[in-house]
Formats: sequence, C-alpha cells, structure tokens
Amino acid sequence: DAGVIQSPRHEVTEMGQEVTLRCKPISGHNSLFWYRQTMMRGLELLIYFNNNVPIDDSGMPEDRFSAKMPNASFSTLKIQPSEPRDSAVYFCASSLDRTEAFFGQGTRLTVV
Amino acid sequence: AQSVTQLDSQVPVFEEAPVELRCNYSSSVSVYLFWYVQYPNQGLQLLLKYLSGSTLVKGINGFEAEFNKSQTSFHLRKPSVHISDTAEYFCAVSLSGYSTLTFGKGTMLLVSP
Repeated sequence: DAGVIQSPRHEVTEMGQEVTLRCKPISGHNSLFWYRQTMMRGLELLIYFNNNVPIDDSGMPEDRFSAKMPNASFSTLKIQPSEPRDSAVYFCASSLDRTEAFFGQGTRLTVV
Repeated sequence: AQSVTQLDSQVPVFEEAPVELRCNYSSSVSVYLFWYVQYPNQGLQLLLKYLSGSTLVKGINGFEAEFNKSQTSFHLRKPSVHISDTAEYFCAVSLSGYSTLTFGKGTMLLVSP
C-alpha cells in the first residue's frame, strides 16, 4: 500500500480564498483523522471519522472549517474563507484497530 | 481529559552517546502510549507503542521506552545515537480502546558529530 496520501503537499493562497485539502486513507482502514500542526499549539486533533461518520469534531476551530468523508477512500478538509492564522501543516491519518495511526506527509498551508 | 508533557523542547547530544527523552502523561483512566518521530518535512512515523503487558517496549531504529504507571511516565531511550536520529520526537496518549491521540509539544533531538 502507498500509505496515506495527501494533496496538495504545499498550498499558498490569499486571505479570503477557499482552500480544500484532500486525503486518501490506507485501503481497509475504518478510522480517519485530521490533525493540524503549528509552532504555537503543536499537534491538535481537528476531526475524527469512523466508518465515514464524523465522531468527534470538537477540535474544528470555527465554522470556517468543514470536513467530509463521502466514502471510505476519500476525505476533504475545507477552509472558507481562509485567514493568515490558518497557516499550518495539516496531517491526515488513518487507523484500523485503534492501536496505531498512520500519517500522511502533510499539507503545508500558507495564507497570505 | 488526558494530557502529555514533554519536559525538554530540545536535547543536544553527541553521536554514539546515550539519550533519554522524557514524557509524562495525565489521565484518570487506562491509556495507550506512543512515541512518534518526525523527520524534516515529513509525516509522523510510529517508533513504538505500549498497549499492555511488559512495561519495557522495544521499537524501531534501536529505540525503547519504559512505561511507569506510578510515575505516569513513558520515557524514550537509545543507548547510542546516530546523526540520522536527528528529528523531532512526539509522545502521545490515547484512551484505551479509543482512537484519537493527544500529543505532547515535541522534543527536538539534535545529534552532532
């Protein structure tokens, strides 16, 4: 398996624009996570899906952020409108048995 | 809620020296414990995990960690480090049987010749 695949690897956008980050989990995994990494706050859980259903979205910062998982092989994280404080590295991870999460390479988002 | 404290933000060490990266956690219920490594511009890779059983856990790349329930610690050790071990190391905890991870702030291991 190719592992968790995220796209794009880098995204630079202007404040106010919509940004969509994409994730393909490892085939057969039933849990998917979105994490955000910043210097100030470290690694934070944004949202957790199990069997394509959002289970915990308490980490989603505000209404500008939304996440979907239309099927077992694809998820998106959307920010609309984007702001400079959203600049961070966003990681997607997937898991099968709750004992190990596999992380993607991350998307580095810069909002100018 | 659980939390993780990594006591050192940066640990400089010379090549072939031993190293210990410290991690303490707080939780009122049973937990799983993990150490992840992040190389520059890469994702996180699992080094080792403690789920139950033996408190000494061996992982990849010669690392090991010891779970100490009384001290709520899960320190990471390596007897002899290499230049290639230079990376950021994250300790993480999850509630037993629950998937989401709570991470510490990370420790940057800097190995010099």
